[in-house]
Amino acid sequence: SQTIHQWPATLVQPVGSPLSLECTVEGTSNPNLYWYRQAAGRGLQLLFYSVGIGQISSEVPQNLSASRPQDRQFILSSKKLLLSDSGFYLCAWDRGRTEAFFGQGTRLTVV
Amino acid sequence: GEDVEQSLFLSVREGDSSVINCTYTDSSSTYLYWYKQEPGAGLQLLTYIFSNMDMKQDQRLTVLLNKKDKHLSLRIADTQTGDSAIYFCAEGAGRRALTFGSGTRLQVQP
Repeated sequence: SQTIHQWPATLVQPVGSPLSLECTVEGTSNPNLYWYRQAAGRGLQLLFYSVGIGQISSEVPQNLSASRPQDRQFILSSKKLLLSDSGFYLCAWDRGRTEAFFGQGTRLTVV
Repeated sequence: GEDVEQSLFLSVREGDSSVINCTYTDSSSTYLYWYKQEPGAGLQLLTYIFSNMDMKQDQRLTVLLNKKDKHLSLRIADTQTGDSAIYFCAEGAGRRALTFGSGTRLQVQP
């Protein structure tokens, strides 16, 4: 069966520090991978998606970047965090047709 | 671009039916989804419906789709306190990323 792992679950980082969130998928190959952000009381905002290794599409201009060094690994990064980067970050995958599967999320608080 | 809208909040009493509504704009949507998010957790798919269907029932859940009006609803029969969560409507077409609504917070009062 397929599983998706996302870590860490919670993170408190000071303004200006770097960020690296990791997401890995098991049990499938060549998935589409996604990073979403959910701000407090808001819906889901698509940040990045990837259809293959090294292929990253950015949906919104921002302080964050994403990389896909391996088929089932998706990394969300920042060189210098801003207060506005606080939120709940969700990684997801699908095979392009039916449902998307989500990780458990990372709660990021920038202080 | 694609847009999905939902009301933000719904409160019901335990045992009543809940109806959560959603509207979308993309007429090329192939699949429409309902996801549930419990506090501090990721999203869990509840059900989905193909755009060529107008109804799908799965135990306590009934999804109605009015493709002409681009309106989707989720009915939860005999709502329980464990149904309290945020419910997201989403639409998708092929390999495009899903577009999510802002979520409806369902509060079930005992």
